[in-house]
Order: sequence, then structure tokens, then C-alpha cells
Amino acid sequence: GAVVSQHPSWVICKSGTSVKIECRSLDFQATTMFWYRQFPKQSLMLMATSNEGSKATYEQGVEKDKFLINHASLTLSTLTVTSAHPEDSSFYICSARGLGTGRPTGMISDTQYFGPGTRLTVL
Amino acid sequence: GQNIDQPTEMTATEGAIVQINCTYQTSGFNGLFWYQQHAGEAPTFLSYNVLDGLEEKGRFSSFLSRSKGYSYLLLKELQMKDSASYLCAPMDSNYQLIWGAGTKLIIKP
Repeated sequence: GAVVSQHPSWVICKSGTSVKIECRSLDFQATTMFWYRQFPKQSLMLMATSNEGSKATYEQGVEKDKFLINHASLTLSTLTVTSAHPEDSSFYICSARGLGTGRPTGMISDTQYFGPGTRLTVL
Repeated sequence: GQNIDQPTEMTATEGAIVQINCTYQTSGFNGLFWYQQHAGEAPTFLSYNVLDGLEEKGRFSSFLSRSKGYSYLLLKELQMKDSASYLCAPMDSNYQLIWGAGTKLIIKP
């Protein structure tokens, strides 16, 4: 239980293009989804927190116009990296947290369950 | 401020037991999570402690002392596949996880 998927697993794009990453909770309703970025051998860095139906809350230093987050349903959030540049190359990971009814067996409330991540390379 | 202190790296032998310690300071506290992260992969959830004491789950156990701001993860019967980073992540009063750099565990045969 508590499965989160991400698509695509990896993407290579040219500088200046936009890339959309999808995060889905497959067997539970995610009231909150989180987007992280991780550079090699560094800690997870929270980029933003999104609650279904409302605007995302961005961490200090994260450009909201560059990293567009949409959380339109209880099972889907998307992160769009607009006008990507080589310095945006990183490992992007989403996580989902569910509360209330409909939880799969073994799932713990308040726990963030992570997707497998998306490796973005901008040329 | 909020911070987490874990050893940067530990080495243990296959079949042995290892204890990874974590001390933390947070603004409020709503429990503490342990995650495992293999190189190049996303973290996976291992355990959650909200009350003092030991939580056992198979080969892995996690302990919490809220008054001391201290937790540990105990791994028994180590296997080569346990080589990974282990992340201690307390949850603050805003229900946000606080992340440190984690402990890289190296298992030797």
C-alpha cells in the first residue's frame, strides 16, 4: 500500500524548454504533496508543498514562476520546470501524504511516501 | 533553529548489528521518521515514532526519547542490500519534515 508513481523517470531536454513531471498517488488520496530536489551527495531540499485545490507554498529561494506546481486532484500533482537551464539538472522527487479514510493497509497517517524520482538533465 | 545530527558514515559487517544515532532540535515535534535511501534512488519509509520507546519491525527497530531529542535506528542481521543512506527526519509543529544529510552505511562481507 501507499504507492506513489512519478513520470517520467528521466528526461533530457534542451536549454530553454519546459519539462512537466507528474506525481500520482496510486492507492490513496493525497491531501498534501511535496516536491523535493536533490543534487548528488546532498540532502533532500524541499522546494514546495501543495495542498489539493490550493496554491503551492514555495520554500525560500525557490522561484514560483520557474517551478510551476499544480495539485488539481487528490491523486495528481505536477511540477513544470519552465525555461530549463543546465543548472536545473537534478533529481526531482515528489512525496505524498494522505489522511483520513480510504488508506491502504499498513499506511501511516502523516507519513510522506515518496515517488521513485525523476532525473532531469538539461543540455 | 532546527537541526539534525547524525554520523556522516558508518561501516559494519554482514550479519552484524548496527545502531545509527540521531539527535535533533525542532520547533515543536510531531514524531520522527526514518527513511532509507539507496544511491540514485528516492527515499523509502522505514519507521515512525511519536511516543517514547522502541518500535520493532522485522530486522529494523527505531527508538525515540523526546525529552532527550534523541532517536536511533537499529539494524540486525545486516545484509549487503542494507548498504544505503539512512535519514532521520523529525516533523516540526507545521507537520514539515526536517532533513539532514543522513548516515551512509557501508556493509562489508
